[in-house]
Amino acid sequence: QSALTQPASVSGSPGQSITISCTGTSSDVGGYDYVSWYQQHPGEAPKLMIYDVSNRPSGVSNRFSGSKYGNTASLKISGLQAEDEADYYCSSYTTSRTLVFGGGTKLAVL
Amino acid sequence: EAQLVESGGGLIRPGGSLRLSCEASGFTFSNYAMTWVRQAPGKGLEWVASIRGSGSETFNADSVRGRFSISRDNSMNTLFLQMNSLTVEDTALYYCARGAGNFVFRGFDPWGQGTLVTVSS
Repeated sequence: QSALTQPASVSGSPGQSITISCTGTSSDVGGYDYVSWYQQHPGEAPKLMIYDVSNRPSGVSNRFSGSKYGNTASLKISGLQAEDEADYYCSSYTTSRTLVFGGGTKLAVL
Repeated sequence: EAQLVESGGGLIRPGGSLRLSCEASGFTFSNYAMTWVRQAPGKGLEWVASIRGSGSETFNADSVRGRFSISRDNSMNTLFLQMNSLTVEDTALYYCARGAGNFVFRGFDPWGQGTLVTVSS
C-alpha cells in the first residue's frame, strides 16, 4: 500500500487561510469516508484534528475543516495562527483492511 | 481523562525480539479498539497494527505481518506489541493510540508519548 500524497510544505501568513491536499486512490481515500487528519508539533505526539473526512473532535478549533472530492481529501486552516505551525498528516482506511498515512506536510506560518 | 503510557522500548540487535506495552487509564479499555503507529527518526507516521476492543480481530501492516503481533489484556487495561525478527528498518518511536469506540480506523485519539525502539548491531 503506497503512502497517500501530500505536499511536502505549505506556508501562509497569520490570518490567512491555507489548504493541504491528500491524494490517494479509489482503494482508499476515494472509496471510504474514513479520512483523518493529525497535527504534530516537534517532539510531541500527534493530535487528531479531523475524522470521517470532515468531523472535528471536541476541543478542536472550528478554524480547521476537512473535505473530500474524489480521491483527494483536503484540510483547510482558516485564520492562521503561529501555533498552527506544525506537521500535518492525513490517513485513510483501505480496501485491504489496513490504514495508510500520507507523507506529511510541514506548515510554516510566516 | 484518557491516558496512554508506552514502555518496553530499548536497544536491540538485528534479529532480536522485543515486547512493547501500553497501559491505559481514564476510560473503559475494553470498549475501544487500539492501534500501534511508528515514526522513524525524522520521518512520517506509519500504521503498524490495530486490534478490536474485544481482541477478537487484529489488523497488520504488510511491513510487519508475520513478524509483529498485537494483543491486549483487558483485565490489565494493557495493549501489547510483540516484535520478532527485528531489522534496522524497525527503528522508530512507537506510539499507541485509542480508536473511536470499536471502530478501528475512524481516527486515533488520544496518543501516548511513545517508546523508542533502536535496532542496531
